[in-house]
Amino acid sequence: EIVLTQSPGTLSLSPGERATLSCRASQSVSGSYVAWYQQRPGQAPRLLIYGASSRATGIPDRFSGSGSGTDFTLTISRLEPEDFAVYYCQHYGASLYTFGQGTKLEIK
Amino acid sequence: EVQLVESGGGLVKPGGSLRLFCAASGFTFSDYSMNWVRQAPGKGLEWVSSISSSSSYIYYAASVRGRFTISRDNAKNSLYLQMNSLRAEDTALYYCARSGYSALYANDYWGQGTLVAVSS
Repeated sequence: EIVLTQSPGTLSLSPGERATLSCRASQSVSGSYVAWYQQRPGQAPRLLIYGASSRATGIPDRFSGSGSGTDFTLTISRLEPEDFAVYYCQHYGASLYTFGQGTKLEIK
Repeated sequence: EVQLVESGGGLVKPGGSLRLFCAASGFTFSDYSMNWVRQAPGKGLEWVSSISSSSSYIYYAASVRGRFTISRDNAKNSLYLQMNSLRAEDTALYYCARSGYSALYANDYWGQGTLVAVSS
C-alpha cells in the first residue's frame, strides 16, 4: 500500500507570499492519479488539482501542481486570505485511494 | 448544479448498525463512480469505499472490509453505505464524493457530510 507523506505539517505565511506544499509517495506512482484538495474549517474538501497538474473547474490560476514519480508539489503563487486552510494530497491506484495527512496553511 | 446530500448519520452503540444515504442531482448519476470518505473529529481524510458506475467494481478500505457494504440505485440517483459491527473508531463525518474519468478519478464533487457517532 502506498503511503503519502505531506510536509510541512504546518506552514505559516503572510498574504501575498508564495506557498510550496510537498507530497511524497512511498513508491513511484503515476502522476495521472495524484490530486490536491483544499479544506476550509467546517467545509467539505474541494478539488484543486487532478492529474498532478490540471486545475479543476473554477480554481484560480494562482494554484498550480507539479511533480512525478514520488515527489509532488502544490504551489500557491500569491496567497489570498481565503487560501489559509488545510491541504491534502491524494493518490488513486490499485483499486484504492490514499490521502496524505494534510498540511495546515496558517496566517503568520 | 451538481449536488450531493448525505443523510442517515446519528448516535449508535458499539456493535450496532447504521445505513447512510447520499442523494445525487445535477448530473447523470449512472455515468460516475461514487465514493465514501470519512473524517474523524480533528483528523484527516480517510477513504472508505468506492463503487463503479454500474456496480461492477466495489472496493473497501481494510479498516471497514467485511463490516461495511456500499451500494447504489441508479434509478433513484442514490448511493448507500450499510455499516455493521460499528466501533468507536468509526466515529466520523462521512462524505459521499463523485469520481469520474473527466477528472482522472479524483473526487471532483463532495457532499457536506453526515455525522456518525459510535458510543455507549
